Amino acid sequence: AQSVTQLGSHVSVSEGALVLLRCNYSSSVPPYLFWYVQYPNQGLQLLLKYTSAATLVKGINGFEAEFKKSETSFHLTKPSAHMSDAAEYFCAVGLTGGGNKLTFGTGTQLKVEL
Amino acid sequence: EAGVVQSPRYKIIEKKQPVAFWCNPISGHNTLYWYLQNLGQGPELLIRYENEEAVDDSQLPKDRFSAERLKGVDSTLKIQPAELGDSAVYLCASSSRLGEGGEQFFGPGTRLTVL
Repeated sequence: AQSVTQLGSHVSVSEGALVLLRCNYSSSVPPYLFWYVQYPNQGLQLLLKYTSAATLVKGINGFEAEFKKSETSFHLTKPSAHMSDAAEYFCAVGLTGGGNKLTFGTGTQLKVEL
Repeated sequence: EAGVVQSPRYKIIEKKQPVAFWCNPISGHNTLYWYLQNLGQGPELLIRYENEEAVDDSQLPKDRFSAERLKGVDSTLKIQPAELGDSAVYLCASSSRLGEGGEQFFGPGTRLTVL
């Protein structure tokens, strides 16, 4: 079985500051890892994914994440926050041999302040 | 390319009433998913279809929930009868890649309120 823990249900940063959203996973086999973003009243949109290629993954809108097997982490970062980044972010894990079943974390609400 | 379409976007019903949600996936996507998203939580898989076959429905409460995907395209999720605890957002997603690691594309969801 797999699980995802997102530390911090709410994160607040100033515009232009570093964004760091934390995700730790648990899985018994090599995982696939995803970050999705959800804007109010919309569905989830894929930001980036790790599928056993490069450990540093670059996504859309300037976001990137690094897969660290030793720490079982897949934290999401962006060097400089923009007001338009305010949204809810979900980390998800899928397993090799598990079909396309994803297990999502509980989400982190990102607030960007002037 | 059109995205995943869901209707209705919002639904308010009385408890014990039936309700149905409809999903049209992205054209050519063989895999379709229904998720339940409670307030402040991440999506939880209810059922996954490969074409018209339900390959994972282990999390679907079969006493009141049912789903179908006729002809392997559109899908309908039904609740009968609805309970207060069913108030949530119901998300539909689709993907094209067989196997694993493929991106799931999500619709905007149907927000259900049960009074």
